[in-house]
Amino acid sequence: DAGITQSPRHKVTETGTPVTLRCHQTENHRYMYWYRQDPGHGLRLIHYSYGVKDTDKGEVSDGYSVSRSKTEDFLLTLESATSSQTSVYFCAISEPARSAYEQYFGPGTRLTVT
Amino acid sequence: AQSVTQPDIHITVSEGASLELRCNYSYGATPYLFWYVQSPGQGLQLLLKYFSGDTLVQGIKGFEAEFKRSQSSFNLRKPSVHWSDAAEYFCAVGKGGSQGNLIFGKGTKLSVKP
Repeated sequence: DAGITQSPRHKVTETGTPVTLRCHQTENHRYMYWYRQDPGHGLRLIHYSYGVKDTDKGEVSDGYSVSRSKTEDFLLTLESATSSQTSVYFCAISEPARSAYEQYFGPGTRLTVT
Repeated sequence: AQSVTQPDIHITVSEGASLELRCNYSYGATPYLFWYVQSPGQGLQLLLKYFSGDTLVQGIKGFEAEFKRSQSSFNLRKPSVHWSDAAEYFCAVGKGGSQGNLIFGKGTKLSVKP
């Protein structure tokens, strides 16, 4: 299994509070991704990173920001959480030297915004 | 725009029976295609991938998929289903470009009855 951990694994927070989710990898893969998974929607890309300090928006980036200050960590921040951001969040990694599309996923973080 | 359609939301098969999960994609060029599996409470695991060449690709856990350009399909098959195959299956297509962005279908949930 790819060395990907996500923290926290579960979180309940209140509307309007900031939340940061962490993805940590030990594979030294260059690319990292944040997805959200909602019933009936599959997985949708929020943001991705193609290197340290290099990030870009995905399909559903509104209300989210990311940072990557070192290869192994990719942080997803909800500046002011809303109930519509209740979801399961997955981090993924890939190595473009092999194939950027061949992605390995973390175990997920279940976030509930009340 | 690229898209992926999985027509079946939920499929139930008997253990030992054959399985085919459908996937149709929309993409202008030769697509990069993937099948992922998600067991309950887990992250996604790559089952198999198609980049080019032989249109019948073999994956892990005894799964295979066939790329049919004329039908814009990439259906997943298994000749004999085991109870442990019960999971949700996602088809995905590479969005193009070098960043590895994937477009996922909404998933097909597989139930296996004894």
